[in-house]
Amino acid sequence: TAGITQAPTSQILAAGRSMTLRCTQDMRHNAMYWYRQDLGLGLRLIHYSNTAGTTGKGEVPDGYSVSRANTDDFPLTLASAVPSQTSVYFCASSEGQPGDTQYFGPGTRLTVL
Amino acid sequence: GQNIDQPTEMTATEGAIVQINCTYQTSGFNGLFWYQQHAGEAPTFLSYNVLDGLEEKGRFSSFLSRSKGYSYLLLKELQMKDSASYLCAVLDSNYQLIWGAGTKLIIKP
Repeated sequence: TAGITQAPTSQILAAGRSMTLRCTQDMRHNAMYWYRQDLGLGLRLIHYSNTAGTTGKGEVPDGYSVSRANTDDFPLTLASAVPSQTSVYFCASSEGQPGDTQYFGPGTRLTVL
Repeated sequence: GQNIDQPTEMTATEGAIVQINCTYQTSGFNGLFWYQQHAGEAPTFLSYNVLDGLEEKGRFSSFLSRSKGYSYLLLKELQMKDSASYLCAVLDSNYQLIWGAGTKLIIKP
């Protein structure tokens, strides 16, 4: 079972360029999430989606946008990348009820120069 | 503000027992999760506590005291493969997960 896949695995991006990180899940989960993980800090929620067609802002949404056109896909777009967006990005999904386990994708390591 | 505190790093010996503590101050509480994360990999679920007490699952146990804002993860019969970071996360009043920075556990032979 694939679970959650993310692409690309890693990327080096010039500041000012745009980029879309892809996330696909095959578990038919209602809820999906984007986190960033930085050294010395906990995972921080960027955006989330409780169900297809809806999205919400997390703790650190500025500079990022998401869409949820269908159940399986939840892309994250950086419109104009800045060096502070250098991080490891994890996509996760859950069935969507409070207390449900979140399952994580393998992550995308992004470096913005 | 919301805060999750865990030790940054701990060292233990193969075959021994280790306890990783987590204290939290959050706006509301709807449960506490522990995840394991090996270096360069994704976090994977270990346990979920919503009521006070000890939950045992094989070599791993998790304890919660809501009145003290405190949890611990207990790992028994440590194996080298247990070398990883252990992440504590609290589900707050908005049902969003607030994550600690994680505890890096180093296992020595």
